[in-house]
Amino acid sequence: NAGVMQNPRHLVRRRGQEARLRCSPMKGHSHVYWYRQLPEEGLKFMVYLQKENIIDESGMPKERFSAEFPKEGPSILRIQQVVRGDSAAYFCASSPGGQSYNSPLHFGNGTRLTVT
Amino acid sequence: EDQVTQSPEALRLQEGESSSLNCSYTVSGLRGLFWYRQDPGKGPEFLFTLYSAGEEKEKERLKATLTKKESFLHITAPKPEDSATYLCAVQAYNQGGKLIFGQGTELSVKP
Repeated sequence: NAGVMQNPRHLVRRRGQEARLRCSPMKGHSHVYWYRQLPEEGLKFMVYLQKENIIDESGMPKERFSAEFPKEGPSILRIQQVVRGDSAAYFCASSPGGQSYNSPLHFGNGTRLTVT
Repeated sequence: EDQVTQSPEALRLQEGESSSLNCSYTVSGLRGLFWYRQDPGKGPEFLFTLYSAGEEKEKERLKATLTKKESFLHITAPKPEDSATYLCAVQAYNQGGKLIFGQGTELSVKP
């Protein structure tokens, strides 16, 4: 049973470019969460999505960041016009959802974004 | 505001030297407290979930306990392969499945 798959593992972008990070949840999981981890800092919640719905985006910066989880295909975290401060590891996690809210989140191995 | 504080930030142990990691939390209605292990360059790996004060869970050399305000991760006779960052997170009833993480404790076990 494949775990949470994230790609790419490493992404280098120049300032002003766009970054697209992809996440395929575990089989049978319908809820996806995105977290950001800055060097020497903890995991910070960004956004929580179900298929075709954003449930909680309270951790998302108001500008340049967006996320989607379409009916078909992976979840996408999109960062427009990247700046050096966006350099971080971005982790995706998934859970079954529904009545299983207290199920643990299962994490992928992250995408490490470097903005030059 | 829901908050998680872990201490110490870093811990160095000799192989076989037992110790404990602390996780203090403030949350409006705790649904669960979660412990994860994170190795460099990897995503967090789930260890335990605790749901109510007094609960304990064990896995190999690790034992997690929970009170109404904090959780402890006890490491008995650690080995070098236990070296990792240990993360504590809380889930509140009004927050869906979202986890709020602490900063982590970086554990180093020397042979």
